[in-house]
Amino acid sequence: EVQLVQSGAEVKKPGESLKISCKGSGYSFTSYWIGWVRQMPGKGLEWMGIIYPGDSDTRYSPSFQGQVTISADKSISTAYLQWSSLKASDTAMYYCARGGLGARPDYWGQGALVTVSS
Amino acid sequence: EIVLTQSPGTLSLSPGERATLSCRASQSISSSYLAWYQQKPGQAPRLLIYDASSRATGIPDRFSGSGSGTDFTLIISRLEPEDFAVYYCQQYGSSPPAWTFGQGTKVEIK
Repeated sequence: EVQLVQSGAEVKKPGESLKISCKGSGYSFTSYWIGWVRQMPGKGLEWMGIIYPGDSDTRYSPSFQGQVTISADKSISTAYLQWSSLKASDTAMYYCARGGLGARPDYWGQGALVTVSS
Repeated sequence: EIVLTQSPGTLSLSPGERATLSCRASQSISSSYLAWYQQKPGQAPRLLIYDASSRATGIPDRFSGSGSGTDFTLIISRLEPEDFAVYYCQQYGSSPPAWTFGQGTKVEIK
């Protein structure tokens, strides 16, 4: 069974760093893209970027380029989304999703809520 | 960058009625790489339709998708109480890999 399990909720202060994770299981982790999606409170879905763990090819949405870093550790089938300096506006739910044929998202993680507040 | 525009923003209907949701792209979507998702409060998005018209595993046949090029439609033939939710269209592709979401259509109980 394909599963993407994300790390838990985080509460951080502005200026702090953070790295959240997404662990894949039940499939060949290196053969599928993993994308990240932001959903701010009460708002829609926004694509942030995508990584191919097999060769670490990473692409970012122009809106998120330079704001976050996406990485993956194929030895433990885990993708990451990280911030070096959080802002209050980073408060959101973050989802990872597997990109199947044509990079189509076919399986989603349960989401990780990030709250940034002083 | 492709922009997806969904209409209407909100659809107020009664159970048993037919829902028609629209998604228009700013440029032609290759290979009909267009998906539809349902999202309920506190839940992750659920894939309903992929490649514009293929139902995902376990999705009831009252959900159907159609369209090509720049105009796509999701139809829910007879609304069940559990269908009241927000629906998003999404464009995907692998050359280069990128995703784009529409802003969503809320289907609410009238």
